[in-house]
Amino acid sequence: KAGVTQTPRYLIKTRGQQVTLSCSPISGHRSVSWYQQTPGQGLQFLFEYFSETQRNKGNFPGRFSGRQFSNSRSEMNVSTLELGDSALYLCASSKNRLETQYFGPGTRLLVL
Amino acid sequence: EDQVTQSPEALRLQEGESSSLNCSYTVSGLRGLFWYRQDPGKGPEFLFTLYSAGEEKEKERLKATLTKKESSLHITAPKPEDSATYLCAVQAVVSGDSSYKLIFGSGTRLLVRP
Repeated sequence: KAGVTQTPRYLIKTRGQQVTLSCSPISGHRSVSWYQQTPGQGLQFLFEYFSETQRNKGNFPGRFSGRQFSNSRSEMNVSTLELGDSALYLCASSKNRLETQYFGPGTRLLVL
Repeated sequence: EDQVTQSPEALRLQEGESSSLNCSYTVSGLRGLFWYRQDPGKGPEFLFTLYSAGEEKEKERLKATLTKKESSLHITAPKPEDSATYLCAVQAVVSGDSSYKLIFGSGTRLLVRP
């Protein structure tokens, strides 16, 4: 069974630009969560989507947004990038809400 | 405030030298506790889920246990390939809401020398 896939794997952007990251969950999984991982803050929850609806949101500014499609694939968008947005962005999927989450390899974003 | 604390931050072991990693938590409405392993530059790899105090799970050289306030991950006779960062995460009720959130600890960096 294929795992969670994320594209792109690496991305370099400049301040002020926007970026869209993509996540394809494990087949049959309907819940997708996004996390930001940095050396200083560790793994921080961004948001969770289930049945195309955002169900939960972490403490991040409105520049961070996401959506989920009918096939459970998800995208997250960061607008007006700041240097501090440089991080590893991880997507995790689970069969249903509250079940074990399985992580993708992540997208490493560098903002210059 | 909900918090998950892992100790030690870093651990160096000789191959074959058994030890334990600790995860303590102060959260309301604990629903489950998860252990993950993360290699550099990769996403966390799921290891165990524990739901209730007294529960134990084993996988190869790893054994996870759960009490009311903490969890331990014991590594028996570790090998160099066990070197990684081990993350603990707690699923807890969001205060004033009916939803849950997953709170991660900062991890324990394990290095096993041959």
